[in-house]
Amino acid sequence: NAGVTQTPKFQVLKTGQSMTLQCAQDMNHNSMYWYRQDPGMGLRLIYYSASEGTTDKGEVPNGYNVSRLNKREFSLRLESAAPSQTSVYFCASTGQGREWETQYFGPGTRLLVL
Amino acid sequence: DAKTTQPNSMESNEEEPVHLPCNHSTISGTDYIHWYRQLPSQGPEYVIHGLTSNVNNRMASLAIAEDRKSSTLILHRATLRDAAVYYCIPFKAAGNKLTFGGGTRVLVKP
Repeated sequence: NAGVTQTPKFQVLKTGQSMTLQCAQDMNHNSMYWYRQDPGMGLRLIYYSASEGTTDKGEVPNGYNVSRLNKREFSLRLESAAPSQTSVYFCASTGQGREWETQYFGPGTRLLVL
Repeated sequence: DAKTTQPNSMESNEEEPVHLPCNHSTISGTDYIHWYRQLPSQGPEYVIHGLTSNVNNRMASLAIAEDRKSSTLILHRATLRDAAVYYCIPFKAAGNKLTFGGGTRVLVKP
């Protein structure tokens, strides 16, 4: 049981390049989330998926797209990377997204955009 | 979303208790109070949560004020591994997201 896994661990991009961050969970969870964390700050929600086939914007969605490929996988795409997107990206999942449930986080992807 | 106020940092000696306060005076009646912590270079991990009653688990205890406007996370015997940033988060399922504030950075001295 690996929990929440993310790939890659590190990535360096040039401005304007695109990339996809991958996230997978093996806990049969319905809800999945993408957060970003800038240095010295708390996490901010980018997008979430309450269930397979649905996605919704979070607090900071501009410059990102997401795909809920199946129940296990939720990817985050940067179409044209900008230096402002330099951050650590965390994926999380939870059973139903209910208020008493725990969110499980992945180890993060550290992204540097030059 | 309910706003939270936490001290920026706290220090403790190893094997002593740590009491981490959180003010959430605008919390609504159905928001659960969650605590997560983030160890250096790792993703956040769940610590404990509660609604109205005090809660205990193997990691910590959560004391919730009767009016629910504040809560205190208690680490009974701090270890070096407990050095982390601790986040107090009122969670509203309707918003379907955890809103992370600045948290409290806990330093544990040997």
